[in-house]
Amino acid sequence: RKEVEQDPGPFNVPEGATVAFNCTYSNSASQSFFWYRQDCRKEPKLLMSVYSSGNEDGRFTAQLNRASQYISLLIRDSKLSDSATYLCVVLGGSQGNLIFGKGTKLSVKP
Amino acid sequence: NAGVMQNPRHLVRRRGQEARLRCSPMKGHSHVYWYRQLPEEGLKFMVYLQKENIIDESGMPKERFSAEFPKEGPSILRIQQVVRGDSAAYFCASSPPGGAGETQYFGPGTRLLVL
Repeated sequence: RKEVEQDPGPFNVPEGATVAFNCTYSNSASQSFFWYRQDCRKEPKLLMSVYSSGNEDGRFTAQLNRASQYISLLIRDSKLSDSATYLCVVLGGSQGNLIFGKGTKLSVKP
Repeated sequence: NAGVMQNPRHLVRRRGQEARLRCSPMKGHSHVYWYRQLPEEGLKFMVYLQKENIIDESGMPKERFSAEFPKEGPSILRIQQVVRGDSAAYFCASSPPGGAGETQYFGPGTRLLVL
C-alpha cells in the first residue's frame, strides 16, 4: 500500500463548480497533514494545513478523518486560476521529511 | 526577503558526467531538504541536512548520490556518473530552526536532463 494515495484525475470542471479531492494515508501515527498546489513545471506551494477540527480558507475547506486515515479538500466556486495539480502531503516521522501523494490534476474550463 | 534559491534551473549532462545542484535556503533557515520528482510522479524525499550534518538520508540512492550543507555556502546535491534515469526535477526546501519541518518552503527546482 502506498503511503499517500490520491485519485490522479484529471478533474475537468466548469467555472463556478464545486470539486472535492480525497486522499488516504497509511501511517496511523502521522500527525501533520497538508495540501500543496503545484502548477505545471513549478515548485509545490503550501495551500493549507489540515487540522482534525477541519479548517477553511476562503473557497477552500480541508477535512481530516483520523479514524479512516482520510483527508479531503473542497474547492467552491472554482476559478480558472485554480487549474493545477493538488498534492496531498503527510509529515513523515520526527525528522521532517514530507511524504507526497502523486497529485490530483484539476482543470477548470470557462 | 529572498526565497529558497536553486541553481542552475536547468542542467544538461551526458551519461557518465557529474551533476552538481545548489540550494541556498531562506534567510534564517538552518534546515534543508532535497526532493526528487520523476516525470509523472510525486515528489520523493531524498535527504535532510542541517549545517555540517546529515540528519536523515533514508531517501538517497545508495550509490552515486551525495549531499552536503557546509558551514558557509549553499547546500550541494552531487550526482556522479549520471544515467538517463536520473533525469528529473530536483527540489530543495528549507525550514526555520526549532520546528519539526512542518513548514517547508520550496525552491523553483533544478531540471536535470541526462542525454
